[in-house]
Amino acid sequence: KAGVTQTPRYLIKTRGQQVTLSCSPISGHRSVSWYQQTPGQGLQFLFEYFSETQRNKGNFPGRFSGRQFSNSRSEMNVSTLELGDSALYLCASSLGQHGGLGYTFGSGTRLTVV
Amino acid sequence: AQRVTQPEKLLSVFKGAPVELKCNYSYSGSPELFWYVQYSRQRLQLLLRHISRESIKGFTADLNKGETSFHLKKPFAQEEDSAMYYCALDQTGANNLFFGTGTRLTVIP
Repeated sequence: KAGVTQTPRYLIKTRGQQVTLSCSPISGHRSVSWYQQTPGQGLQFLFEYFSETQRNKGNFPGRFSGRQFSNSRSEMNVSTLELGDSALYLCASSLGQHGGLGYTFGSGTRLTVV
Repeated sequence: AQRVTQPEKLLSVFKGAPVELKCNYSYSGSPELFWYVQYSRQRLQLLLRHISRESIKGFTADLNKGETSFHLKKPFAQEEDSAMYYCALDQTGANNLFFGTGTRLTVIP
């Protein structure tokens, strides 16, 4: 079956702009999580959605937001981009309501802010 | 607060030698622990999870609650094991992974 699909693969934006990233989970997976990966901070949790509801949020400013649709696809939005937002953004989906089954990750969207 | 520590950023071993990647955690509840691996130019993928007590690709990891550790072990390293390894903790029912900083394993032929 198809894995977790993230689009686009690469993005270049300028400071102050906003960006929307998309994630399609594995069919049947209802939990979608987002992570930011940078060389300095490593992998950090952004937020998690289950059945269109945000259940958990990491320690990121309000400029980072997300949503999940009824088909479990998810989007994350970053407004007023800053240079420090340059990172690889990873989406992960999980079958279970709780994370004990583990997560399947997408290839990520590499965002560069100039 | 929860924390995952991987003390070694880099680890090199010879092919056929045993390998142990260390992971210590800090969490007051009952954690769910995982090892994820990222091979060169591939996506991050689940290697194993403590609740299933499985062995994947010859790797095993035992949760030691007394020492708050979840070290990853393999008795005989192979060249294809060279990769970045991340230990991760999921608070019970929380659905958000806390990752360690990762250990890059290089298996020398």
